[in-house]
Amino acid sequence: EVQLVESGGGLVQPGGSLRLSCAASGFTFSLYWMHWVRQAPGKGLVWVSRIKSDGSSTNYADSVQGRFTISRDNAKNTLFLQMNSLRAEDTAVYYCARETVGVTTELDYWGQGTLVTASS
Amino acid sequence: SYELTQPPSVSVSPGQTASITCSGDKLGDQYACWYQQKPGQSPVLVIYQDNKRPSGIPERFSGSNSGNTATLTISGTQAMDEADYYCQAWDSVVVFGGGTKLTVL
Repeated sequence: EVQLVESGGGLVQPGGSLRLSCAASGFTFSLYWMHWVRQAPGKGLVWVSRIKSDGSSTNYADSVQGRFTISRDNAKNTLFLQMNSLRAEDTAVYYCARETVGVTTELDYWGQGTLVTASS
Repeated sequence: SYELTQPPSVSVSPGQTASITCSGDKLGDQYACWYQQKPGQSPVLVIYQDNKRPSGIPERFSGSNSGNTATLTISGTQAMDEADYYCQAWDSVVVFGGGTKLTVL
């Protein structure tokens, strides 16, 4: 059974940092592109970042470019999101998600999410 | 940047057909997919590559995509289908629509 379990969320002051983790199991993690998607309270889904299966390529939303860094450890089946210079508007539930293998970019499995609150 | 536009809300009576649209420039030239999200839960993929259903998704869910509009159709809508629905496409980055709240009443 495919499982994605996020951790690392919490309360942080604006300007602070946080590192999210996503532990993957039930599939060959090293074969899949992985994504982070966030959802502010009461709002819609917003794509944040993605990383290639071997970690050699990354993409970011304009809103987090230069502040967030996505990475992965395929030996430990874990995805990360390092978030620096956090702002109030980064407050959201952060989901990790797996991209299907193939030519399209749909996300077929999602974690339960971890809440990040940037507030003083 | 590329934008996908969805109606904020759609209402349907139980047993009737619900249609949720997603509009974007030349959206029909690429694949679109759809997610269902119920309150307090993570999104679930219900349609991919315009009209394919993942394993476990009921046959009443279907999709189409042509021109500038992708459409999610739910036939014989049930109370359990009440949820937020998001379309998604690709434009060098992943793009989500703003979401549509489906109310079954």
